[in-house]
Amino acid sequence: ILNVEQSPQSLHVQEGDSTNFTCSFPSSNFYALHWYRWETAKSPEALFVMTLNGDEKKKGRISATLNTKEGYSYLYIKGSQPEDSATYLCALGRFDYKLSFGAGTTVTVRA
Amino acid sequence: EAQVTQNPRYLITVTGKKLTVTCSQNMNHEYMSWYRQDPGLGLRQIYYSMNVEATDKGDVPEGYKVSRKEKRNFPLILESPSPNQTSLYFCASSLSAGMNTEAFFGQGTRLTVV
Repeated sequence: ILNVEQSPQSLHVQEGDSTNFTCSFPSSNFYALHWYRWETAKSPEALFVMTLNGDEKKKGRISATLNTKEGYSYLYIKGSQPEDSATYLCALGRFDYKLSFGAGTTVTVRA
Repeated sequence: EAQVTQNPRYLITVTGKKLTVTCSQNMNHEYMSWYRQDPGLGLRQIYYSMNVEATDKGDVPEGYKVSRKEKRNFPLILESPSPNQTSLYFCASSLSAGMNTEAFFGQGTRLTVV
């Protein structure tokens, strides 16, 4: 089992402010890193899948980077809006065909 | 519409009474898996399947069974549920088992075992 840690566990951000949070993992021995967005009472939805060191992905105001050498990925939200309130999950796609999730970072955007 | 469908959404049952949670996907995905989500923990993988008649244990398989007789369906079976299996369950599917394709999740099944 790969230990995937996300920090912080939760954060509050003012509408219009930007924020970022971290997914860290112990090794580069994995196939891909996934980010999912999970809104209350809904199912998780994929944001990004990254495989290469230095990968950067962007979807609207949300972007992510991957550093496999130092074992972390950052997710950035630019100009946070109330609809960005959700739990953001990081997961590692392993070579044994399994997916290991972190516990998530819960973002609350205050109007 | 491309989707993963789980049923039921909510279930309350008694200890020891066998139950099945169904999962179906309409995207012709090869890879399907089941997860449980408990407070403070990440999603934990129970079982996965890389294709028809190919299933394998995830990280927390004890107390669960699965089958994959058709590509679209991947039911989760609890032969003798216990209270520690009270949890939120998600089924998911991906195009391939390469782990570099995104997972599509069902709506979740909230199971309570009393």
